[in-house]
Amino acid sequence: GAGVSQSPRYKVAKRGQDVALRCDPISGHVSLFWYQQALGQGPEFLTYFQNEAQLDKSGLPSDRFFAERPEGSVSTLKIQRTQQEDSAVYLCASSLGGGRDTQYFGPGTRLTVL
Amino acid sequence: AQSVTQLDSQVPVFEEAPVELRCNYSSSVSVYLFWYVQYPNQGLQLLLKYLSGSTLVKGINGFEAEFNKSQTSFHLRKPSVHISDTAEYFCAVSDHNTDKLIFGTGTRLQVFP
Repeated sequence: GAGVSQSPRYKVAKRGQDVALRCDPISGHVSLFWYQQALGQGPEFLTYFQNEAQLDKSGLPSDRFFAERPEGSVSTLKIQRTQQEDSAVYLCASSLGGGRDTQYFGPGTRLTVL
Repeated sequence: AQSVTQLDSQVPVFEEAPVELRCNYSSSVSVYLFWYVQYPNQGLQLLLKYLSGSTLVKGINGFEAEFNKSQTSFHLRKPSVHISDTAEYFCAVSDHNTDKLIFGTGTRLQVFP
């Protein structure tokens, strides 16, 4: 079956622009996660949904970052007024349920802010 | 707060040699432990995970890891590596109260012919 897909795969934005990154999780997966991976670093947690409910957004670095999953399936991560420090790969993962379940990762969206 | 330390940023090794990638974690509660592999321009793929029970966990591609609670370690091993094992390897932890993963900074395994 299809895995987690993300679009676009690459995004170049000028500083100050808004961007929207999309994640299509594996069908039937209840949990959806967003991570940020800076160059040469491990992924860092941003936010987590269970169905449409955003249960944890403690990793969002500022109020410029916003995520939603309105129908409990597709999710969008929006970054307003992008800054150079937002340049990173944004990874989406989905899982059947809780912490014991494997998180399946998408290929990521590489965001470059000029 | 939980954290994960991967002591080696790079591990060079010759093909067919054994390899160990080290991972230590800090947590005051019971944890789940994971190893993921990331090939160039690809997403993270699960190699293996420890949830409970036997401390020796076998994963895909001939990898295995041993959970050592007293040393808070979860080192990854393979008895004989292939060129195709060249990739970035990430250790991660989650606890029983939260579902998010805390990752280490990664170890780049470079296998030479």
